[in-house]
Amino acid sequence: SQTIHQWPATLVQPVGSPLSLECTVEGTSNPNLYWYRQAAGRGLQLLFYSVGIGQISSEVPQNLSASRPQDRQFILSSKKLLLSDSGFYLCAWSVGGQGDSDTQYFGPGTRLTVL
Amino acid sequence: SQQGEEDPQALSIQEGENATMNCSYKTSINNLQWYRQNSGRGLVHLILIRSNEREKHSGRLRVTLDTSKKSSSLLITASRAADTASYFCATDKVGGGSYIPTFGRGTSLIVHP
Repeated sequence: SQTIHQWPATLVQPVGSPLSLECTVEGTSNPNLYWYRQAAGRGLQLLFYSVGIGQISSEVPQNLSASRPQDRQFILSSKKLLLSDSGFYLCAWSVGGQGDSDTQYFGPGTRLTVL
Repeated sequence: SQQGEEDPQALSIQEGENATMNCSYKTSINNLQWYRQNSGRGLVHLILIRSNEREKHSGRLRVTLDTSKKSSSLLITASRAADTASYFCATDKVGGGSYIPTFGRGTSLIVHP
């Protein structure tokens, strides 16, 4: 069966510090991968998605970046965090190679607080 | 980009009652999905309804889709306290080579025991 992991679960970082959040998927190959951010009481904002190694699409311009160094690994990074980067970050995957829609499977999330 | 918007934003009911949530979207879709999120957790997929379907059932869940009105509803029958969560609809884009879903802001459901 497939599983998706995110770490860390919670993170408190000072403004201006770097960030690295990691997401890994097990039990599937060539998944589509997604990073979302959810502000308190709000919906999900799609940040990045990837359909393959090294292929990253950005939905919202900001001081965050994403990388996919391996097939089932998706990393969200920042060189300098802003207060507005605080939120709940969710990683998700869906079956790759599908032209249209498919179910997304979400990780447990990382709660980031920037002080 | 198109977006699903849930209505109401918050819903408070008693255990045993039915809960109805609505989702409206702006442009044509291939399908619409409903997800559930417990506080502080990831989203869990509930049900997918395709654009050529009008109604779908899964256990106590009933989803309808009206493409002419660009709206969908999620009905939870005989609600339980454990149904307390936020519920989101997600719509996709017609065509394209990848699945890029768009989520609404969600309906926060509280079921009082």
